[in-house]
Amino acid sequence: AQKVTQAQTEISVVEKEDVTLDCVYETRDTTYYLFWYKQPPSGELVFLIRRNSFDEQNEISGRYSWNFQKSTSSFNFTITASQVVDSAVYFCALSEARRGGATNKLIFGTGTLLAVQP
Amino acid sequence: DTGVSQDPRHKITKRGQNVTFRCDPISEHNRLYWYRQTLGQGPEFLTYFQNEAQLEKSRLLSNRFSAERPKGSFSTLEIQRTEQGDSAMYLCASSPQHATGVVNEQFFGPGTRLTVL
Repeated sequence: AQKVTQAQTEISVVEKEDVTLDCVYETRDTTYYLFWYKQPPSGELVFLIRRNSFDEQNEISGRYSWNFQKSTSSFNFTITASQVVDSAVYFCALSEARRGGATNKLIFGTGTLLAVQP
Repeated sequence: DTGVSQDPRHKITKRGQNVTFRCDPISEHNRLYWYRQTLGQGPEFLTYFQNEAQLEKSRLLSNRFSAERPKGSFSTLEIQRTEQGDSAMYLCASSPQHATGVVNEQFFGPGTRLTVL
């Protein structure tokens, strides 16, 4: 069965601190994709990143970076120099990528609420 | 605005009433998903359409729930005889067709928040 675990329910940091959000996944598939989404107070899920299981290179996009480690089944997300606008719930998600007719539905974790204090 | 749109944004209804939600995906996207999100939880998959064909339904989707995508464009989700446990945010997402073995990101709408009194 597929499962995503985000053990951190809430994190509170002060502006300009770095913060890492943890994501651990379980799957029997050898080919899969991992995602991070941001859900600000307005409620709309915003796509941040997609990574397939064959690409373990870390990725950096501005203040955001992602660390994918298949050996520990983790896909962690770091925000450098956090800002108040980063306050949101962040979701990690997993999708199978089987050949032929797969739904590719997203399996979400329970999310981590990040509060950045000024 | 070329994103996913949903209507209505909020719906308050009494237990036992029927409700219908609409989703308009991004126009070139042939894949459409419905999810449900309750407070403090991540979205949970409900059903999936590829063009007009409904190809998967979650066991979460009781027989009071029905979804359609008649022309492969917009989709509707109907809940009959609503119960208080149906109170949740109903999210629609779309994604473009992708090559076998590739999974594109899904783009989400703003959701419809249902409150059943």
